[in-house]
Amino acid sequence: QKEVEQDPGPLSVPEGAIVSLNCTYSNSAFQYFMWYRQYSRKGPELLMYTYSSGNKEDGRFTAQVDKSSKYISLFIRDSQPSDSATYLCAMSAKTGNQFYFGTGTSLTVIP
Amino acid sequence: DAGITQSPRYKITETGRQVTLMCHQTWSHSYMFWYRQDLGHGLRLIYYSAAADITDKGEVPDGYVVSRSKTENFPLTLESATRSQTSVYFCASCKGPNGGYEQYFGPGTRLTVT
Repeated sequence: QKEVEQDPGPLSVPEGAIVSLNCTYSNSAFQYFMWYRQYSRKGPELLMYTYSSGNKEDGRFTAQVDKSSKYISLFIRDSQPSDSATYLCAMSAKTGNQFYFGTGTSLTVIP
Repeated sequence: DAGITQSPRYKITETGRQVTLMCHQTWSHSYMFWYRQDLGHGLRLIYYSAAADITDKGEVPDGYVVSRSKTENFPLTLESATRSQTSVYFCASCKGPNGGYEQYFGPGTRLTVT
């Protein structure tokens, strides 16, 4: 079983829609959770960073962590064509020296 | 503010050749990482370094060598390149203890081994 599971999609939504991206994990020791956005032929760009449980909001983006279910989510409100990219979740145990990445979900926002 | 840079951005080499990929960061981050990204596998950790002269293996270290004599540089060497090492390679860094573990990535090196 992989440490981190992420639905690869692809996901296609109309502009303005609310997007929900999810990852599940198996290691209960994970404490750090991140979401990255990766445009085609570019490096991953950090979007959200959460330590332990709870919600974190930044503009149109909300990250949620449910440690009891080993489930994390990223919500994008009022999605824009510029949000079209691959979204990667990542997580690590307390030491933070090894991160495990999901395989990424490809998102297309249609104008 | 250059951040984290990688060179070369593109490289084509032949099987059996030695290749070195360079990574340089200007943030004085303690931790540096090398990943490879392949379709269907996502990002996989090759090696990481917690500080100068301290390195450790990740998930897929075979066939790779790293060194870190200076905090800002973390070169990755393929000692004898194989076709299975054709991939996109990303370098990343983070502050580490007391500074945060969120990783920041470079633009990547696209390596083709023929």
